[in-house]
Formats: sequence, C-alpha cells, structure tokens
Amino acid sequence: SQQGEEDPQALSIQEGENATMNCSYKTSINNLQWYRQNSGRGLVHLILIRSNEREKHSGRLRVTLDTSKKSSSLLITASRAADTASYFCATINNAGNMLTFGGGTRLMVKP
Amino acid sequence: AAGVIQSPRHLIKEKRETATLKCYPIPRHDTVYWYQQGPGQDPQFLISFYEKMQSDKGSIPDRFSAQQFSDYHSELNMSSLELGDSALYFCASSPPGLAGPGGTGELFFGEGSRLTVL
Repeated sequence: SQQGEEDPQALSIQEGENATMNCSYKTSINNLQWYRQNSGRGLVHLILIRSNEREKHSGRLRVTLDTSKKSSSLLITASRAADTASYFCATINNAGNMLTFGGGTRLMVKP
Repeated sequence: AAGVIQSPRHLIKEKRETATLKCYPIPRHDTVYWYQQGPGQDPQFLISFYEKMQSDKGSIPDRFSAQQFSDYHSELNMSSLELGDSALYFCASSPPGLAGPGGTGELFFGEGSRLTVL
C-alpha cells in the first residue's frame, strides 16, 4: 500500500462480538476516514476523524487516532452478519485534495 | 438522493483494444476522482479534476487519459489495454470544501465499472 497498512488483513468473528481493525499511515494528514466496501461494490463512507481529534463515535462505530504513532483503529461493537465487508482506512493529504487508501481488512461476521 | 453514476457497469475487451468509462458526479459536486482497484487490492488513486481542470495525478499509466466536460461528467480513456488493466474502476465526487473546516471530507463513490481484459 502507498500510504496505510491495515491489520488484520482478515478477521472472522461471531455475531455480537466486537471487531477491531487497525490502520497505520506514513505522511502528515488533514484527516483520516474509514470506508466500507461490500464485495465488488462501491465504497461507502463511514466516519471521519480530523487530525486534531483523538476519538470519535458514530452509532456502533468508534474510531481513534494517534497522530504521534500515525495510527488509527476502528471498533465495531455488537457486530451483525450484515457488517460483513471490507473496511479501508483512507487519509486526506494536507492540501486536502487527495484521498489515499490503505489495504483493507476483510471482516466476516458469522450468524 | 442522486448518487454517482458510472457506465458501463461491466466491460470486456481484448488486449490492445481501447475502453472508455464514464462518470456522472453528484450535482453541484466540484471534484471528480478516478480510482483503480485490482482483485484483492486497495483502491489506487489515478487522477482527479477540480472544476474541469486536472487537479492531481496518481499512478495513472501513460496509456490512460481522462477529462472532465462542461457538464461535469468525466471520462477515463484507456488505450492499448493489457491483461493487468483488468480491475474495478471507481469514480467518486466530492462537494466544495472537501477538507476545509466546514467540509465533511467525504468522497461519494459510484458502484464502479468492472473491466475485464482478455
């Protein structure tokens, strides 16, 4: 990946469990975003966290950002089978005109 | 609500042929982006346009070109196709002030065009 690396690359959990995905990036950023992609479909924006924020919540999603370590995590609580998808982190450069994706985490939630 | 429209959704071409993909952004969005996603890969930025002018260029091969027209739709032209060009090609658009203080920073993606080169 040109910018971010995600771990794990694949994650399999049971419905109701929490899923945590991590992302690291290399350059200075304006903000970091998480996107979801169902197999072969378009990417859907989930949540954005700005470089001056440390934590953000949206429904069952919780995102953290550590700019000193250039890393972020996405926590999905009480997972559902419908959460099965690939999740990508993406960063906006300081000029604010380019979104760069990291390698995704393939999440499978078993019913 | 209107979304980003891409066409065609599927395209099959032979090596060395040419392909053109089209993208219609969400109305009043001023920036269009093209991404390429190979099988099992993360999306790679190709090129973007802001107000019909090329804004940024990523890992776009010289065989590819793109433009944005007066009605804001964009086309990605790919020539001398190679097997490795087989991928999902996504177009995305964003509203004014993408990363500014009031901006959401969100890109809105189309469903993609799947190109298969045989």
